[in-house]
Amino acid sequence: DAGVIQSPRHEVTEMGQEVTLRCKPISGHDYLFWYRQTMMRGLELLIYFNNNVPIDDSGMPEDRFSAKMPNASFSTLKIQPSEPRDSAVYFCASSSGRTGSTGELFFGEGSRLTVL
Amino acid sequence: AQSVTQLDSHVSVSEGTPVLLRCNYSSSYSPSLFWYVQHPNKGLQLLLKYTSAATLVKGINGFEAEFKKSETSFHLTKPSAHMSDAAEYFCVVNAGGTSYGKLTFGQGTILTVHP
Repeated sequence: DAGVIQSPRHEVTEMGQEVTLRCKPISGHDYLFWYRQTMMRGLELLIYFNNNVPIDDSGMPEDRFSAKMPNASFSTLKIQPSEPRDSAVYFCASSSGRTGSTGELFFGEGSRLTVL
Repeated sequence: AQSVTQLDSHVSVSEGTPVLLRCNYSSSYSPSLFWYVQHPNKGLQLLLKYTSAATLVKGINGFEAEFKKSETSFHLTKPSAHMSDAAEYFCVVNAGGTSYGKLTFGQGTILTVHP
């Protein structure tokens, strides 16, 4: 079975540019999570969805960040405009209502973003 | 509120010797606890989980962890380290309740295995 698929794996962009990260969760999973990983702050939850509806976006750093889940098999995380401090690895993870009730998540391999 | 503390940022062992990665947690609810492993340039993979069943939990690749409520600990162990165990390990707590699906990650412990 395919796992969580993220694209792009690597992105290098210049400050001020728009960045869109994409995620395809595991088929049948109804929870989707976006995390950010940095050396300084570790892993931070940005936002999570249940049945395509955003449940908690309190971790989204500011209005420059937005996330959507138009259907059960696709989500995007957009940064506009990007800044150097947004450089990080962004992970998407998914879970089912059954396993998710205990917190077991399935992670993608991440999108490494570098903003120059 | 919930939190998790990994007591060592780096652990170094020789191949074939035991591994101990320490984790303490705090939680207002009966927690679920997890260990995840992250190899370089990879996503996180679940090693094992505790969900209020047996207190000694066995995971993949020979790892196990023991839930000790009195000590609020969930240390990860392996009897004999292998070179392929070199990675970063994260202790994670899920308080459940209204925090459904919202995990708190420790800061990670980097395990180095020497030949």
